[in-house]
Order: sequence, then C-alpha cells, then structure tokens
Amino acid sequence: DAGITQSPRYKITETGRQVTLMCHQTWSHSYMFWYRQDLGHGLRLIYYSAAADITDKGEVPDGYVVSRSKTENFPLTLESATRSQTSVYFCASSESAVAHSTDTQYFGPGTRLTVL
Amino acid sequence: DAKTTQPTSMDCAEGRAANLPCNHSTISGNEYVYWYRQIHSQGPQYIIHGLKNNETNEMASLIITEDRKSSTLILPHATLRDTAVYYCIVFTGNQFYFGTGTSLTVIP
Repeated sequence: DAGITQSPRYKITETGRQVTLMCHQTWSHSYMFWYRQDLGHGLRLIYYSAAADITDKGEVPDGYVVSRSKTENFPLTLESATRSQTSVYFCASSESAVAHSTDTQYFGPGTRLTVL
Repeated sequence: DAKTTQPTSMDCAEGRAANLPCNHSTISGNEYVYWYRQIHSQGPQYIIHGLKNNETNEMASLIITEDRKSSTLILPHATLRDTAVYYCIVFTGNQFYFGTGTSLTVIP
C-alpha cells in the first residue's frame, strides 16, 4: 500500500534549469494538489487538478507548469528555476475537493528543492 | 487576508490536555474547519474536521463556537509524539488555506 509518493526527495539545481517533480498516488483519487512550504508562510497551493486533463491555478502558480495525463500522476515542472523557488514541495490527493464529511487530503513526504 | 489566526507557539505538559485555539471570524456558512498537523518536516497529517457540531475521533476533539468564528482542537492526553505544528484550515471551494500554524511542544 504505497499511498502517495514523491520523487526525488531532494534536488539541487541551478538557476534557469528546468526541473520536474513527480507525484504518484495509488488510491485513484480524483483530486491532486501541489503545495510549497516556506519559512513563515505555511503551505501555499500552487496548482490542483480535479481529474485527468483538468488543472487549475492556486495561490502561487507563477513559474510552474503542471499536467495530468493519468489519474495517478501529477508532475510539477519549473520551466526555468529561480532562487525564489527554493522550497519544500508537497503533493496531496483526495477523493474530491468538495467538503463532504469524509473527504480529507493525504500528503506525500515532500521534495526539498534548492535552486542555486 | 488571513482566513485563520492561531497562536505562534504553545507548550503543554505530557499527559495533560492540549487546547489549541483558532480564530476564523470570516468563515462562511458552508465552509468547513479542518485541522492538520506536521511533525518535523513530514507531510501534513489529517486530524479532524467539522462544520457546526463538535466532533471527536480517536486523535482529538474539535469544539466549534456557536457563531462559528472560532474553534479549539483538544488533544486529551498529550504525549511527546504530539509535538508538531498544528494547522487550522478553512476549506473553501476547492482549496485549503493554510496559515502558519501553532507550534506545540509537549514537555516531559
């Protein structure tokens, strides 16, 4: 029972390079989310997806691109990484995003990205 | 435009109840209040959520005021493993809005 996994767990890259962070879930959840976590800001939503081929912006989408060709995968791409994108990135999934009584988001272990 | 306000940090003695307050004065009638916690640098972990009524599960209790402008998460018998950052979150539409949370330290 793998749940939700992220790869890589740690990544160091240079300014201007393209980086893709992977997220995979085994529950067949419809919704998937990407957050970033910076000191003093808590978690902020970057993008989310309601289903395959359906994505939408969150609070801080600039500089990021997402895709969702398969339900179980939701990669996040930094097309030209900047130092301000140094952060810890968390992926999450949920059965739905409607506030039903049984819906919760399940988070992955995170990817620590450093942009030099 | 913070949707929730929590104290930055709190301490609690091991074995005692930990009461973590949250203010969400701008909450709308159909918005749920969720609580998550994050231990060290792990991914956030779901604790409990509610709309109007008080809720209890195996981890905690959630007390929501009648006007829904604030709530309290109660860990009835705090252990050292409960040391974490606790987030009070308003779920609106399709998005969770995390604040900076309360850093709870359980003291032996």
